[in-house]
Amino acid sequence: GNSVTQMEGPVTLSEEAFLTINCTYTATGYPSLFWYVQYPGEGLQLLLKATKADDKGSNKGFEATYRKETTSFHLEKGSVQVSDSAVYFCALMDTGGGNKLTFGTGTQLKVEL
Amino acid sequence: ETGVTQTPRHLVMGMTNKKSLKCEQHLGHNAMYWYKQSAKKPLELMFVYNFKEQTENNSVPSRFSPECPNSSHLFLHLHTLQPEDSALYLCASSHIRGDRHVAGYTFGSGTRLTVV
Repeated sequence: GNSVTQMEGPVTLSEEAFLTINCTYTATGYPSLFWYVQYPGEGLQLLLKATKADDKGSNKGFEATYRKETTSFHLEKGSVQVSDSAVYFCALMDTGGGNKLTFGTGTQLKVEL
Repeated sequence: ETGVTQTPRHLVMGMTNKKSLKCEQHLGHNAMYWYKQSAKKPLELMFVYNFKEQTENNSVPSRFSPECPNSSHLFLHLHTLQPEDSALYLCASSHIRGDRHVAGYTFGSGTRLTVV
């Protein structure tokens, strides 16, 4: 079956530090990959996505590249801000049929001044 | 405002109560979902509705009963819940064409449920 594994949190960084949140996946088909972000007290918002191998998704300074050879979709940002503090979820959608997102457990990011 | 509205935002209920969670989307989507979010666990998909028809029930206990009267509204009826059912319940919607998603899911802000 499909599954997503994310690094355990919380990740605590100083403002302007470089961010990497690791995500690896297992899928039976050719999935699309997503990163969602959840700010405190809110639902999940789509941050970025990639639909095929070697695609790079990007938004708000965040990037992730779909690496089929390593089954990974690591999230990166060059310089984090306090406002980036949130929980980040990696997810996949199996494009072989079925319309379901499979999520990882989420990684909490805390950015301090 | 994401286009998916959930009410109430917070709910405290006793184990013998009956309550309902409501979700409404104004995006023209044709699929809706209920997820359960508990601390330190992956989001759990509970129910899926495509074109108002329930297409998935992920072994959810019968004390949770979904209802989808039209493609814009989704309810989750709750009765005789247990304390371990306390969680954030998230509604999402998407648009499906053929067997493919046109875009990702849009989530509501959730209902924080506490069972006492």
